[in-house]
Amino acid sequence: GAVVSQHPSWVICKSGTSVKIECRSLDFQATTMFWYRQFPKQSLMLMATSNEGSKATYEQGVEKDKFLINHASLTLSTLTVTSAHPEDSSFYICSARDRLGGIQPQHFGDGTRLSIL
Amino acid sequence: AQSVSQHNHHVILSEAASLELGCNYSYGGTVNLFWYVQYPGQHLQLLLKYFSGDPLVKGIKGFEAEFIKSKFSFNLRKPSVQWSDTAEYFCAVATYNTDKLIFGTGTRLQVFP
Repeated sequence: GAVVSQHPSWVICKSGTSVKIECRSLDFQATTMFWYRQFPKQSLMLMATSNEGSKATYEQGVEKDKFLINHASLTLSTLTVTSAHPEDSSFYICSARDRLGGIQPQHFGDGTRLSIL
Repeated sequence: AQSVSQHNHHVILSEAASLELGCNYSYGGTVNLFWYVQYPGQHLQLLLKYFSGDPLVKGIKGFEAEFIKSKFSFNLRKPSVQWSDTAEYFCAVATYNTDKLIFGTGTRLQVFP
């Protein structure tokens, strides 16, 4: 089956640092990847849609300068949380859509738990 | 704006009991509907999906869901749950011909032997 790898799975860092999270599709090509954020006991909230070779589309209320997304290849998208602060602590999940899979479904990574001290 | 409601936040059942998890959405147009499951420590996995056709959809592991358009609902059912069904279940909706998934808040299911 389609596998999406997310790295790192857990990161703890000091306030003010930048953190990069990688999302890779291991056995398929993904023209579109998605980045979600999940707060405890809440739903997944779509942050942005990442398209290979073009700028990401951010959802309303998501700061594009804060959450930098790069989708440089058909198998890799990165999310960089710049100048992270404690309120950025959350669970970040990526998903990818197989370029041959039509509209849906999306295949999800295991998520990255980000803790900012 | 579209939204998805899952009314059951936490469900506790004994093995062999029947399960029904509610999911309602707010959108008047054509939708694609999904149920995802997240087992402890694992990623989200697709249980089943509805795009069109027969409103009764069968998924993996004995799960099924029924799309009732008039009620804007897509409830998940299983006639007899197992301990291994313990997980978080998420209903999700995508408006027709879009990539964006809107998730419900999830239902935590605990099944006791």
